[in-house]
Amino acid sequence: QVHLVESGGGVVQPGRSLRLSCAASGFIFSSYGMNWVRQAPGKGLEWVAVIWADGDNYYYADSVKGRFTISRDNSNNTLYLQMNSLRAEDTATYYCAREGKLGIPVAVDTFDSWGQGTLVTVSS
Amino acid sequence: DIQMTQSPSSLSAPVGDRVTITCRPSQSVATYLNWYQQKPGKAPKLLIYAASSLYRGVPSRFIGSGSGTDFTLTINSLQPEDFATYYCQQSFSTPFTFGPGTKVDLK
Repeated sequence: QVHLVESGGGVVQPGRSLRLSCAASGFIFSSYGMNWVRQAPGKGLEWVAVIWADGDNYYYADSVKGRFTISRDNSNNTLYLQMNSLRAEDTATYYCAREGKLGIPVAVDTFDSWGQGTLVTVSS
Repeated sequence: DIQMTQSPSSLSAPVGDRVTITCRPSQSVATYLNWYQQKPGKAPKLLIYAASSLYRGVPSRFIGSGSGTDFTLTINSLQPEDFATYYCQQSFSTPFTFGPGTKVDLK
């Protein structure tokens, strides 16, 4: 059974940094792309970043590009999100989500498993 | 970036009703379109992938259809556990954008 557990959230001042972790179990972590998706309080879902299975490719939303860094440790089945220069608008629950490729003959990228989320509050 | 719109933004319906939610990407996404359900305080769950394929374990009353720039999620015979917010999401190109959501609540 797929299990994703985020940690590292908390209250942080604007301009400071925070690192989120996502511990994965129940599947072959090194075979899957992984994503971070966030949700501001009372708002919708916003995709933040993706990292490919081998860790060699990654993409970011424009809203976090240059400030956030996604990485992974396949030997320890852990996904990370380093968040620098945090802003009030980064306040959100951050979810890690596995990228499942589903469908035949064309595989579609999906977020097929999610963690429970970790809340990041940026406030002075 | 591909912008996603959903309508309605919210709806009220009784148990047993059929409800339909529409999702329109700003450009064609072929069938690279997924639907998620989210209940308050919980993570989203995948319902439909590739526009019309039911994810494992999802009841057959959930039906997805469409292609290009016009998609629908239909819930036949709404059940108490279906009251939630529904999001569409395109995976045609990064950034993988979500729709703003449709909240379905009890009438």
